Amino acid sequence: GAVVSQHPSWVICKSGTSVKIECRSLDFQATTMFWYRQFPKQSLMLMATSNEGSKATYEQGVEKDKFLINHASLTLSTLTVTSAHPEDSSFYICSARGRQETRYEQYFGPGTRLTVT
Amino acid sequence: AQKITQTQPGMFVQEKEAVTLDCTYDTSDPSYGLFWYKQPSSGEMIFLIYQGSYDQQNATEGRYSLNFQKARKSANLVISASQLGDSAMYFCAMREGSRLAFGKGNQVVVIP
Repeated sequence: GAVVSQHPSWVICKSGTSVKIECRSLDFQATTMFWYRQFPKQSLMLMATSNEGSKATYEQGVEKDKFLINHASLTLSTLTVTSAHPEDSSFYICSARGRQETRYEQYFGPGTRLTVT
Repeated sequence: AQKITQTQPGMFVQEKEAVTLDCTYDTSDPSYGLFWYKQPSSGEMIFLIYQGSYDQQNATEGRYSLNFQKARKSANLVISASQLGDSAMYFCAMREGSRLAFGKGNQVVVIP
């Protein structure tokens, strides 16, 4: 089956620093990757959609200068939280979709828990 | 605009019993897909079942079945013979185009 990994699984950083989260498709080529954020006891909220080789499309209300997304290859997308603040602490989940149209269009990574102190 | 509604409060279910999780949706797109995901405390999103808007029959995957009522715009998940490992959050999601929109989720706790 399609496998998506994320690294790191958890990270603690100081306020004002930047942190990068990687999302990799391990056994398929991901033409599209999605980044979600989930606060405790809440649902997943789509932050942005990225297609390989092009700029990410951000959802309304998501600061593109704060959440930098790069999808440079068909197996890797990165999310960089710049100048992180405590309110950015959250669970970040990526998902990926391959070239072939299948009913299971998105395969999810295991998530990254970010804590900003 | 699309919308997924899951309004049930947290549920306690006796082991081996069946549980139904409600999901209603709203869309003007005739082509859409409905998903159910399970999220245990570890945080991973586990795909359970899928129903396409043009599918004639209700989807089933092992102990999971989807009660799809298109006219009512509902896609309820039925878990039969609950197991302790079924304790988790359950999210209903709808695909329109390439995007997935999630409901707020249902918390299920299976008790022995």
